[in-house]
Order: sequence, then structure tokens, then C-alpha cells
Amino acid sequence: DTAVSQTPKYLVTQMGNDKSIKCEQNLGHDTMYWYKQDSKKFLKIMFSYNNKELIINETVPNRFSPKSPDKAHLNLHINSLELGDSAVYFCASNGGTYGYTFGSGTRLTVV
Amino acid sequence: GQQLNQSPQSMFIQEGEDVSMNCTSSSIFNTWLWYKQEPGEGPVLLIALYKAGELTSNGRLTAQFGITRKDSFLNISASIPSDVGIYFCAGQLKWWKNNDMRFGAGTRLTVKP
Repeated sequence: DTAVSQTPKYLVTQMGNDKSIKCEQNLGHDTMYWYKQDSKKFLKIMFSYNNKELIINETVPNRFSPKSPDKAHLNLHINSLELGDSAVYFCASNGGTYGYTFGSGTRLTVV
Repeated sequence: GQQLNQSPQSMFIQEGEDVSMNCTSSSIFNTWLWYKQEPGEGPVLLIALYKAGELTSNGRLTAQFGITRKDSFLNISASIPSDVGIYFCAGQLKWWKNNDMRFGAGTRLTVKP
């Protein structure tokens, strides 16, 4: 069983569209995160949720809206996609001990 | 936010050579971690360091948590082709309900057989 699973793995879409990326973890962790990895491989935190409560909301355009229906799921919805949104998006979870468990990423390409 | 400076950006080495990379920060962290990322995958934790001055090994990997809590290094001894990947340092600060973790920009390692 995959600990942190993201879907889809690849997403190609046109500018202006709205899309969602889903994340689920089966580790029983309380905290989940979204990170964005740009073309230079830099990993930047976007959001953090603890038990469905928003904890971190970095400077991210409000076109990005995270939703956590329960502590095992953290989805990312993006409205009005722009070319600059193209990146790899990683979901991660943490159970209170140090270090995160990452999903394998969603490569978003906006054309 | 906290800024982590990781160096070198990239390394090209021969199989069997030792590798060293490091990370410095303007801020103090409770924990330093080192991750490895392979193509098409998310970062995977290699080593976690919890105390200033701590030196920890994991097979051919050795990492240290700097005394000032603002730096860390990772050494890989006797490199092999499967060591290829991007290595990230990360500093973690536990507060309230969150374990806030920030990443360095990564060191891309290429190992020539």
C-alpha cells in the first residue's frame, strides 16, 4: 500500500481551466502539506493542514485553494490556470515525529 | 521566511569517490534532515539530526548537525552509480500543531561509472 498517494501523476491542461489534485495518506498522520517544485527543483511549501485545520498558508495566489475533508485527505484545487503554474506538486504528511513522507508528485503542465 | 543555502549546486564525480555537501541558514532549526530525490519520485528521508553537534551515520552516509544549529553537512563515502539524484537539506522547526520544514535548493549528484 502506498503511504502517500497523489492523483493524477500527470496533468496537461489549457490556460484558464480549473483542475484538482487529490492526496491521500494511510499513515494516520495528523498533518499534511502541499509543496511546489519548480523547474529548478526548488521545493516551496504552499499549505499545511493539521487535522483538517489550515496551519500554514504561504504567499500563494488565491486561485489555489486547499481542501481537507478529513485528516487523511488534502486536495488542491486550482482555478484559472496560468502558464506559470506548471510545476510538480508534492503532497506530504507528518505524524509528529521529524521528517515528512512525500507522495510521488503530480506533474502539471499548462499549455 | 528562513533561507537555506545549500552547496554545491551540482557535482560530477567518479564512482568510488567521496562526496561532501553542506547547508547553512540564517535561522536556527530544531532538526536538520537530508533527503534524496530520484527522477519521477518525491524526496525520501535519508538522515535526521536532532541535537546540535550530533553526528549520525546511515550506511555510507554521514551527516552532522552544526553546533550553532544553523548548518549541517552530508558526506557520502565510496559513491556508487545508484547514488545519483538530487540531495536536499531541510531545516525543521516544530511549533504549535505544525512541523514547519524548509528546503535547500538541492545538490544534483552525477556519478560516472
